[in-house]
Amino acid sequence: SQQGEEDPQALSIQEGENATMNCSYKTSINNLQWYRQNSGRGLVHLILIRSNEREKHSGRLRVTLDTSKKSSSLLITASRAADTASYFCATLILSGGYQKVTFGIGTKLQVIP
Amino acid sequence: DGGITQSPKYLFRKEGQNVTLSCEQNLNHDAMYWYRQDPGQGLRLIYYSQIVNDFQKGDIAEGYSVSREKKESFPLTVTSAQKNPTAFYLCASSIRPRARQGGSETQYFGPGTRLLVL
Repeated sequence: SQQGEEDPQALSIQEGENATMNCSYKTSINNLQWYRQNSGRGLVHLILIRSNEREKHSGRLRVTLDTSKKSSSLLITASRAADTASYFCATLILSGGYQKVTFGIGTKLQVIP
Repeated sequence: DGGITQSPKYLFRKEGQNVTLSCEQNLNHDAMYWYRQDPGQGLRLIYYSQIVNDFQKGDIAEGYSVSREKKESFPLTVTSAQKNPTAFYLCASSIRPRARQGGSETQYFGPGTRLLVL
């Protein structure tokens, strides 16, 4: 299976509720990033958390990282209809001067107005 | 989509034909990447380049080729050897990673090119 697997694969919530997405990975990483993709568009970087960090916040986003469990979660608080998108985690491994970024298959979030 | 552009937005390929997807960035980034995304799937790395005149195969390089003659440009050619080319292709760029700094390496993505086979 892939490095970086998100769950759930699809999530539907009401506007104003919180949305939590999880990401698991298999090998040690340098950092983990979350990206958002609107349908048919490129990805947009949301937040990066380094392997020595446990939690980061950015606006309505909260990311946690548990390296012992090789997992991360993305929490979107007070969701809005505009948050409807697919969310991907990406793990970064640095090896021999090259970076290897591996994306998961994503969580498709639908926020119902 | 920042300062990275892809063209065309839609591309049609005939059987046995090679096609080239364009990717240009004005972010002064050293590193550039090509990904393929299939419906409902994540991104899979095709090729990446950390510096001009250097590139490395990703996870699914077979049937694809790239060049990196200029810092700003990283075109991807889908050759006739790629038997299932229909997908959404995404190009990205980033600063060159510095291993000692642990990397920041945020990738900036273009808007994508959708390749369809006639």
